[in-house]
Amino acid sequence: QKEVEQNSGPLSVPEGAIASLNCTYSDRVSQSFFWYRQYSGKSPELIMSIYSNGDKEDGRFTAQLNKASQYVSLLIRDSQPSDSATYLCAVNRAAGNMLTFGGGTRLMVKP
Amino acid sequence: GAVVSQHPSRVICKSGTSVKIECRSLDFQATTMFWYRQFPKQSLMLMATSNEGSKATYEQGVEKDKFLINHASLTLSTLTVTSAHPEDSSFYICSARDLGGYNQPQHFGDGTRLSIL
Repeated sequence: QKEVEQNSGPLSVPEGAIASLNCTYSDRVSQSFFWYRQYSGKSPELIMSIYSNGDKEDGRFTAQLNKASQYVSLLIRDSQPSDSATYLCAVNRAAGNMLTFGGGTRLMVKP
Repeated sequence: GAVVSQHPSRVICKSGTSVKIECRSLDFQATTMFWYRQFPKQSLMLMATSNEGSKATYEQGVEKDKFLINHASLTLSTLTVTSAHPEDSSFYICSARDLGGYNQPQHFGDGTRLSIL
């Protein structure tokens, strides 16, 4: 079992819809969780961080964390074609200082 | 805030050349920086963890004598690809984390696209 798992996609949604991206992790003591967006040919950029159970909203993005289920998700409301990218889930374990990345989910938003 | 500068952005050179890539944290201090490699349409692969003032920690399968890492200060890490060959052609990306602790995210540089002819 991979430490951080994501469906590779592609996840295709129509413009204006809600895109839901999911991530599960195996280390129960993980404490910090991040979502990065990576456009093709570019480096990842941080879009959300979440540390406690529940929802965290930032503009059109909402991160959701459920530590009991070891599950973190990212919702993108009113999806735009410019949101088309690969979204990486990253998890920090309680010990050490290295993030563990999932393989990423490719999102395609169709006009 | 939290800007990481990586230079150069693109390198094209002949086989056998050594290439140095710099990674700087511009507005924060980073005890630890990370070097990744990404081949087309593939996931990020961590190559090594660069520690200020000490030796880098390399991931399994990464040759430490080929990929030399130096982390001379809290704001600068360098990766040197020695005697590069065409199979070393890839997208190299560095990242850094603020000293603030393990809850801090990693911030990425813009990457270096290396092409070995």
